[in-house]
Amino acid sequence: QKEVEQDPGPLSVPEGAIVSLNCTYSNSAFQYFMWYRQYSRKGPELLMYTYSSGNKEDGRFTAQVDKSSKYISLFIRDSQPSDSATYLCAPGGSGGSNYKLTFGKGTLLTVNP
Amino acid sequence: NAGVMQNPRHLVRRRGQEARLRCSPMKGHSHVYWYRQLPEEGLKFMVYLQKENIIDESGMPKERFSAEFPKEGPSILRIQQVVRGDSAAYFCASSPPFGGLDTYEQYFGPGTRLTVT
Repeated sequence: QKEVEQDPGPLSVPEGAIVSLNCTYSNSAFQYFMWYRQYSRKGPELLMYTYSSGNKEDGRFTAQVDKSSKYISLFIRDSQPSDSATYLCAPGGSGGSNYKLTFGKGTLLTVNP
Repeated sequence: NAGVMQNPRHLVRRRGQEARLRCSPMKGHSHVYWYRQLPEEGLKFMVYLQKENIIDESGMPKERFSAEFPKEGPSILRIQQVVRGDSAAYFCASSPPFGGLDTYEQYFGPGTRLTVT
Protein backbone atom coordinates (compact mmCIF):
# COMPACT_ATOMS: atom_id res chain seq x y z
CA GLN A 1 0.00 0.00 0.00
CA LYS A 2 1.38 3.40 -0.97
CA GLU A 3 1.84 5.94 1.80
CA VAL A 4 -0.37 8.51 0.07
CA GLU A 5 -3.03 7.67 -2.50
CA GLN A 6 -4.69 10.28 -4.63
CA ASP A 7 -7.13 9.81 -7.49
CA PRO A 8 -5.25 11.15 -10.53
CA GLY A 9 -8.42 12.20 -12.34
CA PRO A 10 -8.64 13.98 -14.65
CA LEU A 11 -11.54 15.84 -13.09
CA SER A 12 -13.51 18.22 -15.30
CA VAL A 13 -16.15 20.57 -13.87
CA PRO A 14 -18.09 23.64 -15.05
CA GLU A 15 -17.22 27.05 -13.72
CA GLY A 16 -18.93 27.74 -10.40
CA ALA A 17 -19.05 24.09 -9.32
CA ILE A 18 -17.96 22.83 -5.93
CA VAL A 19 -14.92 20.62 -6.28
CA SER A 20 -13.92 17.89 -3.86
CA LEU A 21 -10.36 16.53 -3.98
CA ASN A 22 -9.34 13.67 -1.75
CA CYS A 23 -6.38 11.68 -0.48
CA THR A 24 -5.94 8.70 1.78
CA TYR A 25 -2.78 7.87 3.67
CA SER A 26 -1.45 4.90 5.58
CA ASN A 27 1.01 6.40 8.09
CA SER A 28 -0.90 7.30 11.25
CA ALA A 29 2.10 9.29 12.49
CA PHE A 30 1.55 12.12 10.00
CA GLN A 31 0.89 15.31 11.93
CA TYR A 32 0.20 17.98 9.37
CA PHE A 33 -1.41 17.95 5.96
CA MET A 34 -0.47 20.27 3.14
CA TRP A 35 -2.22 21.07 -0.11
CA TYR A 36 -0.24 22.35 -3.06
CA ARG A 37 -1.39 23.52 -6.47
CA GLN A 38 0.86 22.96 -9.46
CA TYR A 39 0.28 24.56 -12.82
CA SER A 40 1.73 22.84 -15.85
CA ARG A 41 5.52 23.10 -15.99
CA LYS A 42 5.65 25.16 -12.79
CA GLY A 43 6.68 24.54 -9.19
CA PRO A 44 4.14 23.52 -6.53
CA GLU A 45 2.46 26.45 -4.80
CA LEU A 46 1.44 26.09 -1.16
CA LEU A 47 -2.33 26.58 -0.86
CA MET A 48 -3.01 25.79 2.76
CA TYR A 49 -2.46 23.20 5.44
CA THR A 50 -4.01 21.83 8.58
CA TYR A 51 -2.41 20.48 11.71
CA SER A 52 -4.20 17.45 13.15
CA SER A 53 -7.87 16.70 12.54
CA GLY A 54 -10.48 19.27 11.68
CA ASN A 55 -11.32 21.91 9.13
CA LYS A 56 -9.57 25.01 7.95
CA GLU A 57 -11.06 27.58 5.62
CA ASP A 58 -9.27 30.14 3.47
CA GLY A 59 -11.44 32.05 1.03
CA ARG A 60 -12.96 29.61 -1.45
CA PHE A 61 -10.82 26.73 -0.15
CA THR A 62 -11.55 24.41 2.77
CA ALA A 63 -9.14 21.72 3.93
CA GLN A 64 -10.46 18.87 6.02
CA VAL A 65 -8.61 16.08 7.82
CA ASP A 66 -10.07 12.99 9.45
CA LYS A 67 -7.19 11.24 11.18
CA SER A 68 -9.39 8.36 12.37
CA SER A 69 -10.03 7.31 8.78
CA LYS A 70 -6.75 8.72 7.40
CA TYR A 71 -8.65 10.81 4.89
CA ILE A 72 -7.77 14.29 3.62
CA SER A 73 -10.01 16.55 1.56
CA LEU A 74 -9.78 19.88 -0.19
CA PHE A 75 -12.99 21.64 -1.23
CA ILE A 76 -13.07 24.47 -3.73
CA ARG A 77 -16.22 26.60 -3.83
CA ASP A 78 -17.26 28.65 -6.85
CA SER A 79 -14.51 27.11 -8.94
CA GLN A 80 -12.86 29.31 -11.57
CA PRO A 81 -11.01 28.48 -14.80
CA SER A 82 -7.87 29.79 -13.07
CA ASP A 83 -8.22 26.90 -10.60
CA SER A 84 -7.36 24.50 -13.42
CA ALA A 85 -4.18 22.79 -12.22
CA THR A 86 -2.89 19.65 -10.55
CA TYR A 87 -3.61 19.50 -6.82
CA LEU A 88 -1.15 17.68 -4.60
CA CYS A 89 -1.78 16.50 -1.08
CA ALA A 90 1.32 16.16 1.07
CA PRO A 91 1.13 14.95 4.63
CA GLY A 92 4.21 15.30 6.77
CA GLY A 93 5.69 15.33 10.22
CA SER A 94 5.95 11.62 10.94
CA GLY A 95 8.26 10.45 13.65
CA GLY A 96 11.64 12.15 13.80
CA SER A 97 11.38 13.51 10.26
CA ASN A 98 8.94 16.28 10.97
CA TYR A 99 10.08 18.21 7.90
CA LYS A 100 9.62 15.49 5.28
CA LEU A 101 6.60 15.75 3.01
CA THR A 102 5.16 12.68 1.29
CA PHE A 103 3.33 13.68 -1.86
CA GLY A 104 0.43 12.05 -3.64
CA LYS A 105 0.66 11.87 -7.42
CA GLY A 106 -1.82 14.70 -7.76
CA THR A 107 -5.30 15.19 -9.21
CA LEU A 108 -5.58 17.08 -12.49
CA LEU A 109 -8.51 19.51 -12.35
CA THR A 110 -9.99 21.38 -15.30
CA VAL A 111 -12.62 24.06 -14.71
CA ASN A 112 -14.49 24.85 -17.91
CA PRO A 113 -15.83 28.37 -18.52
CA ASN B 1 10.39 39.33 -1.33
CA ALA B 2 11.78 37.07 -4.01
CA GLY B 3 10.68 33.47 -3.89
CA VAL B 4 12.84 30.39 -4.16
CA MET B 5 15.09 30.67 -7.17
CA GLN B 6 16.44 27.81 -9.18
CA ASN B 7 18.73 27.73 -12.15
CA PRO B 8 19.07 26.67 -14.76
CA ARG B 9 15.40 26.12 -15.60
CA HIS B 10 16.28 23.62 -18.28
CA LEU B 11 19.43 21.56 -18.53
CA VAL B 12 20.41 19.09 -21.21
CA ARG B 13 23.27 16.70 -20.57
CA ARG B 14 24.67 13.75 -22.46
CA ARG B 15 25.04 10.45 -20.68
CA GLY B 16 28.16 10.45 -18.54
CA GLN B 17 28.31 14.22 -18.04
CA GLU B 18 27.78 16.05 -14.77
CA ALA B 19 24.73 18.11 -13.88
CA ARG B 20 24.78 20.94 -11.34
CA LEU B 21 21.50 22.38 -10.14
CA ARG B 22 21.40 25.51 -8.03
CA CYS B 23 18.87 26.75 -5.51
CA SER B 24 18.66 30.01 -3.59
CA PRO B 25 16.13 29.89 -0.73
CA MET B 26 13.68 32.60 0.14
CA LYS B 27 15.09 35.45 2.20
CA GLY B 28 15.11 34.53 5.85
CA HIS B 29 14.82 30.81 5.18
CA SER B 30 17.57 28.60 6.50
CA HIS B 31 16.30 25.17 5.49
CA VAL B 32 16.55 23.73 1.99
CA TYR B 33 14.96 20.59 0.59
CA TRP B 34 15.40 18.88 -2.76
CA TYR B 35 12.65 16.82 -4.38
CA ARG B 36 12.57 14.93 -7.65
CA GLN B 37 9.51 14.51 -9.86
CA LEU B 38 9.78 11.71 -12.38
CA PRO B 39 7.30 11.55 -15.28
CA GLU B 40 3.94 10.21 -14.06
CA GLU B 41 5.25 10.08 -10.50
CA GLY B 42 4.73 12.21 -7.43
CA LEU B 43 7.37 14.42 -5.89
CA LYS B 44 9.88 12.39 -3.92
CA PHE B 45 11.99 13.76 -1.09
CA MET B 46 15.71 13.56 -1.71
CA VAL B 47 17.63 15.57 0.87
CA TYR B 48 17.27 18.19 3.59
CA LEU B 49 20.05 20.66 4.33
CA GLN B 50 20.83 23.54 6.60
CA LYS B 51 23.79 25.84 6.12
CA GLU B 52 26.94 23.67 5.96
CA ASN B 53 25.03 20.60 7.17
CA ILE B 54 23.28 17.68 5.52
CA ILE B 55 20.48 16.79 7.93
CA ASP B 56 18.75 13.97 6.06
CA GLU B 57 19.81 12.43 2.75
CA SER B 58 17.69 9.31 3.05
CA GLY B 59 16.01 9.95 -0.30
CA MET B 60 19.21 10.41 -2.28
CA PRO B 61 20.43 7.61 -4.54
CA LYS B 62 23.53 6.13 -2.94
CA GLU B 63 25.79 6.79 -5.89
CA ARG B 64 26.43 9.74 -8.19
CA PHE B 65 24.20 12.20 -6.28
CA SER B 66 25.42 14.75 -3.74
CA ALA B 67 24.14 17.97 -2.27
CA GLU B 68 25.57 20.88 -0.35
CA PHE B 69 24.45 24.16 1.15
CA PRO B 70 27.56 26.23 1.83
CA LYS B 71 27.83 29.10 4.25
CA GLU B 72 27.76 31.51 1.33
CA GLY B 73 25.93 30.99 -1.93
CA PRO B 74 23.19 28.71 -3.19
CA SER B 75 22.52 25.09 -2.44
CA ILE B 76 23.86 22.75 -5.12
CA LEU B 77 22.51 19.37 -6.19
CA ARG B 78 25.17 17.56 -8.16
CA ILE B 79 24.62 14.50 -10.32
CA GLN B 80 27.73 12.84 -11.68
CA GLN B 81 27.83 10.60 -14.75
CA VAL B 82 24.19 11.19 -15.58
CA VAL B 83 22.07 8.41 -17.08
CA ARG B 84 18.77 8.58 -18.97
CA GLY B 85 16.87 7.61 -15.83
CA ASP B 86 17.99 10.85 -14.18
CA SER B 87 15.78 12.82 -16.57
CA ALA B 88 13.23 14.50 -14.33
CA ALA B 89 12.14 17.79 -12.81
CA TYR B 90 14.16 18.68 -9.73
CA PHE B 91 12.53 21.03 -7.27
CA CYS B 92 14.04 22.88 -4.40
CA ALA B 93 11.99 24.11 -1.46
CA SER B 94 12.85 26.26 1.53
CA SER B 95 11.30 26.85 4.91
CA PRO B 96 11.81 29.28 7.76
CA PRO B 97 13.68 28.33 10.93
CA PHE B 98 11.81 25.83 13.10
CA GLY B 99 9.83 26.95 16.07
CA GLY B 100 7.43 29.43 14.55
CA LEU B 101 3.86 28.97 13.45
CA ASP B 102 5.09 28.69 9.87
CA THR B 103 7.57 25.91 10.65
CA TYR B 104 5.97 23.40 8.31
CA GLU B 105 5.59 25.68 5.33
CA GLN B 106 7.80 24.64 2.45
CA TYR B 107 7.90 26.97 -0.53
CA PHE B 108 8.98 25.57 -3.86
CA GLY B 109 11.01 27.02 -6.67
CA PRO B 110 10.11 26.70 -10.36
CA GLY B 111 12.25 23.60 -10.80
CA THR B 112 15.06 22.52 -13.09
CA ARG B 113 14.06 20.17 -15.88
CA LEU B 114 16.95 17.86 -16.61
CA THR B 115 17.04 15.96 -19.87
CA VAL B 116 19.71 13.34 -20.41
CA THR B 117 20.31 12.41 -24.04
